[in-house]
Parts: sequence; C-alpha cells; structure tokens
Amino acid sequence: GEDVEQSLFLSVREGDSSVINCTYTDSSSTYLYWYKQEPGAGLQLLTYIFSNMDMKQDQRLTVLLNKKDKHLSLRIADTQTGDSAIYFCAETLSSGYSTLTFGKGTMLLVSP
Amino acid sequence: GAVVSQHPSWVICKSGTSVKIECRSLDFQATTMFWYRQFPKQSLMLMATSNEGSKATYEQGVEKDKFLINHASLTLSTLTVTSAHPEDSSFYICSASSQVATQPQHFGDGTRLSIL
Repeated sequence: GEDVEQSLFLSVREGDSSVINCTYTDSSSTYLYWYKQEPGAGLQLLTYIFSNMDMKQDQRLTVLLNKKDKHLSLRIADTQTGDSAIYFCAETLSSGYSTLTFGKGTMLLVSP
Repeated sequence: GAVVSQHPSWVICKSGTSVKIECRSLDFQATTMFWYRQFPKQSLMLMATSNEGSKATYEQGVEKDKFLINHASLTLSTLTVTSAHPEDSSFYICSASSQVATQPQHFGDGTRLSIL
C-alpha cells in the first residue's frame, strides 16, 4: 500500500539551510509535492516534482528526488523565522487530480 | 497562482446544529474537489472526493449522511455537517483540482469548527 514517511521535527537557526526528508513506498508515484501549513491555516503548495525529474529549484527551495531509494527532500536555503511551519510531503499516483497521500508532516522551527 | 477560497474560516455553534462550509475555486474550473479533516498535530485525513455533477465518493468510515457533500458547479463544493456534535469539532480543509493532469491540488485556508 501507499505510505509516506517524514521525520517529525527539525530545528535550525536563522540563516542556515534546512533539509526536510521524505520517503515513500509506492514506486508508481508520479507526482511528489511539498506543502507548507502555518498554524490555523490551510496548505500552501510550495513546489512539486514529476517522477521523471531528479531536481527542481525555485528561488530558495531545492527539491531532490532519488527514485531508486524512493527518497524526496526539500532544502530551504537561508532559512528565515517566517519559514517556521509544518511541511507535508505528498504523493499522487497518476495525475494532479488524483488522491494525495500525505506524510505526517515535519515541524520546522527556526530560531533567531 | 490558483486560488481556493473556503468559508467560513471559523464557526462556533451549539450541538445539534447543521453547519455548511463552502469551497470555491476562484480562477479555474475545479472538476474535482476533495474534503479533508485534520485533528490537532496530525496529518490530513481524506473524507471524500467529489466530481462536478456526480455523487461524492466517501472514504471508509466517513458517514455520508453525516457529512453531506454537494458539487453542483465547476467552482463550488459544499460540505454540510448535519446535526453536529462535539466530536465533530475539527479543522476541515478543501482542495480543488482541474482535469489537467499536470496541475496540482490547491487548498483552501480551512474551517475551524467548534461544537459546544
């Protein structure tokens, strides 16, 4: 079955890089996403990557995908206190409008 | 980017009341909408998937008579929690997606429901 695992907590200092890791079990995963959730808010799509890509960079965000190990990571460069939030990794099997399978979320705490 | 609007953002009501939550896609046609429930410090739990003009598909364990979903247009889906009780208190989030395979789901800001 589908399963997405994430570490639960990450603490970094402002200005450092943050790396949030995610593993998934279904090799049929086609699209992999990173969402950010701030307290009391919905999910904000940060970035996503297709399974035929290895890397995607968007400003401070870099997504790396290792299909062989079924490992996805999100690197945030120059982390700011405003980046403190919960980050969810999610996968979908066939298309963007298919059901998402979420990890449990990683709480990122950025200290000044 | 794509915007999904969800209303209300917070509702407090008495036990036995029915509550309707709206989810609107503002700048694209949402052929498919999803309704999630999130408990504190937990991930999102999919409740149901609705396609425009069709009956919603509910996940196992979700009472369809309790959580009524209507998706009558390409821009609006509603979730009605009927005869709400304190155990229905939760954070409800919708997402919307078009039929374009490469387009991801976009989420509303969520509705915090508190039943007294």
